[in-house]
Amino acid sequence: SAVISQKPSRDICQRGTSLTIQCQVDSQVTMMFWYRQQPGQSLTLIATANQGSEATYESGFVIDKFPISRPNLTFSTLTVSNMSPEDSSIYLCSVSGTGGASGYTFGSGTRLTVV
Amino acid sequence: QKEVEQDPGPLSVPEGAIVSLNCTYSNSAFQYFMWYRQYSRKGPELLMYTYSSGNKEDGRFTAQVDKSSKYISLFIRDSQPSDSATYLCAMGLSGGYQKVTFGTGTKLQVIP
Repeated sequence: SAVISQKPSRDICQRGTSLTIQCQVDSQVTMMFWYRQQPGQSLTLIATANQGSEATYESGFVIDKFPISRPNLTFSTLTVSNMSPEDSSIYLCSVSGTGGASGYTFGSGTRLTVV
Repeated sequence: QKEVEQDPGPLSVPEGAIVSLNCTYSNSAFQYFMWYRQYSRKGPELLMYTYSSGNKEDGRFTAQVDKSSKYISLFIRDSQPSDSATYLCAMGLSGGYQKVTFGTGTKLQVIP
């Protein structure tokens, strides 16, 4: 299965600022996914990023708040814009099964605290 | 009603015990089912993937799916302290990429 490097692993940010999270995969993948994991809640899909097209956002998430880039088949970024304390969460990138494997592989996550 | 229900625990068991983790779901269209293990400060790691009713075994882990009852389980035999983690069930509508719905996770602690 794919190996995903995600950074930063954690950050503490001031409200009103933006943070860009990077996700690098060791193999080419068509789709990359960005999730949010809040304490006591299930993983929530933010958006799906295809290379060469606009990201597809889930209900409740908008491009102005969570712009995504997907410049090639191994890399994606998620920006959390104009942050508020409510954005404090773990953000995870994920790819679907590669090399014949099923299921989804996740990065180690970015733990974001907004103060 | 949530699409996927999972008891958050925490569940504490002694080392060597058999652990049973469960999820129920409401959408009968779910076709494939997964269990993930998540250690603290790490991303979820896929443990089991099943595409049909019945049992699937992998080492100390057995995944069980009962589509008629909309109920899935993960059994861990001879539990070890290293099994202490949060276990998330997940399910999707069909093979290939489809949106996956996750449970909230059950926190398991195996006490030496």
